[in-house]
Amino acid sequence: DGGITQSPKYLFRKEGQNVTLSCEQNLNHDAMYWYRQDPGQGLRLIYYSQIVNDFQKGDIAEGYSVSREKKESFPLTVTSAQKNPTAFYLCASSGPGQGKTQHFGDGTRLSIL
Amino acid sequence: AQSVTQLDSHVSVSEGTPVLLRCNYSSSYSPSLFWYVQHPNKGLQLLLKYTSAATLVKGINGFEAEFKKSETSFHLTKPSAHMSDAAEYFCVVSEDNYGQNFVFGPGTRLSVLP
Repeated sequence: DGGITQSPKYLFRKEGQNVTLSCEQNLNHDAMYWYRQDPGQGLRLIYYSQIVNDFQKGDIAEGYSVSREKKESFPLTVTSAQKNPTAFYLCASSGPGQGKTQHFGDGTRLSIL
Repeated sequence: AQSVTQLDSHVSVSEGTPVLLRCNYSSSYSPSLFWYVQHPNKGLQLLLKYTSAATLVKGINGFEAEFKKSETSFHLTKPSAHMSDAAEYFCVVSEDNYGQNFVFGPGTRLSVLP
């Protein structure tokens, strides 16, 4: 089945440590996104990529980095500069055209040790 | 600029009674509108979407929504709630055909009482 796979499901970060969240899709979508979700809030855009080797900052990119070396993969690194990383992280992808629908993975929950 | 308001942070209904989740949007152009559902510790699943075709949109699991341009609303309804409908619901607006400008509402938590 086509879809988006995020791993790991749970992740713990120590102080001063960088951690990387994986996102893989087999939907052949060009666009991919990373969102952060905090309790009781909607989703906030961290980074997005419309095509391989290109990506743009979203609303809350500080303390995060991404790469897009392959169409299927869009990993997110939470750096030590992100002082409040505890959140639920969601990856999404979308195809072309008007009214394009975003498809979401099942998320990674990141906590600080 | 786009924005989305979900008028209720929490809605509680009894099983078998109708569901109404309210969404108002602001958009400078003809928007695409979406409703997603999220169960605990899961990703978002698309319920339905509006893209300038029929104003009454039918989705999965018996949900539907009506686009009312004059009221800038896109309320989600279901005639009869089921226990499995208990979840978080997000209204989303997008007016950008090329870019990545999806704006999410803050969500409405639906509780279904037996």
